[in-house]
Amino acid sequence: DTEVTQTPKHLVMGMTNKKSLKCEQHMGHRAMYWYKQKAKKPPELMFVYSYEKLSINESVPSRFSPECPNSSLLNLHLHALQPEDSALYLCASSSRDSTDTQYFGPGTRLTVL
Amino acid sequence: KNQVEQSPQSLIILEGKNCTLQCNYTVSPFSNLRWYKQDTGRGPVSLTIMTFSENTKSNGRYTATLDADTKQSSLHITASQLSDSASYICVVSAFSGGYNKLIFGAGTRLAVHP
Repeated sequence: DTEVTQTPKHLVMGMTNKKSLKCEQHMGHRAMYWYKQKAKKPPELMFVYSYEKLSINESVPSRFSPECPNSSLLNLHLHALQPEDSALYLCASSSRDSTDTQYFGPGTRLTVL
Repeated sequence: KNQVEQSPQSLIILEGKNCTLQCNYTVSPFSNLRWYKQDTGRGPVSLTIMTFSENTKSNGRYTATLDADTKQSSLHITASQLSDSASYICVVSAFSGGYNKLIFGAGTRLAVHP
């Protein structure tokens, strides 16, 4: 299985809602990533988990809260988001660390009303 | 400042034709360079990866070149197909602060027309 899956595919939420994005991989990868991508822009790194521990937080606002329950799962908890947070949220994983090729999921298209 | 610049921003070609996409980078210290293909609304998919010592790498109809002296890379697509329509992103890795950070280019949007 060489696939990174993400759910849901689409999410519409209000600014007072709490929701979560999920990411799963069964390739035995030990590094997992969250990216945010606005239309016609390259992905921007948000968080990196290495061996289930948060290793990089690229100064992301606290309304985004990552969680890595185990080596196969990565969540992104959302609370009190703003309309400008609307974007494609991509999850990726790599074998050990960022020197290895990252495999991306299909993304979750998030719209904040 | 670490930067990756791609050209052209967008490109339209006819099916069956060849095309070449360019990537210039100012990234230090250089670790490796990857080309990704991203279909609209989907995650990027890795096409090639090259380290400092490699100057060409092929993956089917895709051939990437790297000139580490001039800090330039190109992606050549041969005999284009409609399914090649996508954004092509050049990504350079820089090892900094104990972490191999990916520097993304803005991408070239390729449209292949019948």
